[in-house]
Amino acid sequence: GAVVSQHPSRVICKSGTSVKIECRSLDFQATTMFWYRQFPKKSLMLMATSNEGSKATYEQGVEKDKFLINHASLTLSTLTVTSAHPEDSSFYICSAREGQSPYGYTFGSGTRLTVV
Amino acid sequence: QKEVEQDPGPLSVPEGAIVSLNCTYSNSAFQYFMWYRQYSRKGPELLMYTYSSGNKEDGRFTAQVDKSSKYISLFIRDSQPSDSATYLCAMNKAAGNKLTFGGGTRVLVKP
Repeated sequence: GAVVSQHPSRVICKSGTSVKIECRSLDFQATTMFWYRQFPKKSLMLMATSNEGSKATYEQGVEKDKFLINHASLTLSTLTVTSAHPEDSSFYICSAREGQSPYGYTFGSGTRLTVV
Repeated sequence: QKEVEQDPGPLSVPEGAIVSLNCTYSNSAFQYFMWYRQYSRKGPELLMYTYSSGNKEDGRFTAQVDKSSKYISLFIRDSQPSDSATYLCAMNKAAGNKLTFGGGTRVLVKP
């Protein structure tokens, strides 16, 4: 089956620094990738949608300058949290979709970001 | 009002019992319905998917969709402690690009 690899699984960074999270589709080409944020005991909140080679589409209320998304190839998307602050601490999850299947969303294992 | 409503639980059942989960939604444009299982600190994994109204069975899992009532269900038979997780319903419009999730229901299956 489709596999999405997300790294790192955990990261602790100092306030004011930037952190990059990678999301790779290992055995398929992901035409679209999604980035979510999840707070404890809450559902997934979509942050942005990215298509390979084009700018990401951000959801309302998500700061595009703070959460930089790059989808440079059909197998790799990155999320960079710039100038991180403690309130950015959260669980970030990526998802990749192959083609236009309405069901074909494969999720990464998530990244727990802690900003101290 | 959220587009998709799901009771957060927790839902605690003894091992071997049937787990019954459901979601209601308000947008009649949703055509594709999915159930995901998420273990703690992991990404969601797809369990079942259905198109429009009807039932679908896969092993111990049965998914039901009633579009007239805007209500979907997931039943887990012969529940096991390993079924303890958060279950998320998700929906997609026919020509849509992004999933809309319910809030998730936490399930605890006690040995």
